[in-house]
Amino acid sequence: GAVVSQHPSWVICKSGTSVKIECRSLDFQATTMFWYRQFPKQSLMLMATSNEGSKATYEQGVEKDKFLINHASLTLSTLTVTSAHPEDSSFYICSARATGADQPQHFGDGTRLSIL
Amino acid sequence: DQQVKQNSPSLSVQEGRISILNCDYTNSMFDYFLWYKKYPAEGPTFLISISSIKDKNEDGRFTVFLNKSAKHLSLHIVPSQPGDSAVYFCAASARYGQNFVFGPGTRLSVLP
Repeated sequence: GAVVSQHPSWVICKSGTSVKIECRSLDFQATTMFWYRQFPKQSLMLMATSNEGSKATYEQGVEKDKFLINHASLTLSTLTVTSAHPEDSSFYICSARATGADQPQHFGDGTRLSIL
Repeated sequence: DQQVKQNSPSLSVQEGRISILNCDYTNSMFDYFLWYKKYPAEGPTFLISISSIKDKNEDGRFTVFLNKSAKHLSLHIVPSQPGDSAVYFCAASARYGQNFVFGPGTRLSVLP
């Protein structure tokens, strides 16, 4: 149980385009979803936390107009990287947490984003 | 300022022996901890958790120990298997809090 699907797994696109990444909880309802970014040989950096039906809470230093997050349902959250530039190239990972205290986060397999 | 530290970036262990991965934290508000395992190009996989009301939690080959006074936790894997080779992250959260803070990870290599 507790499967989180993230799509696409790898995307290459030109500078200036926008890219949407989907995160779905397949067998549970995720009240809260998280978006992380991982730089090479570094830990996961939390970008934002989203609760279903409300605006995402962004971590300090993360541009909310650049990284648009939508958590429209209890099973789907999307991250859109707008007007992507080469410095946005990274590994993006989502996680989802079911309702209830002390629930662990379950992670998707990540999206490798390469901006040319 | 790293609130969660994993001071060993890498660890090599012989198959069948015990692997001990360590994690230290600085925020005394943290009282719920998790360990994740991550293979390259995949998302982290939840392994085991522990809350501050316990000092030990065991699940099969994995045991997590928590020393609150020292702000230290460790993950023991015994016996270690080659398939355990991965990066292990510890994460900490304040109870009922939303966000987990992750350590930088320790790369475990289990040698056959």
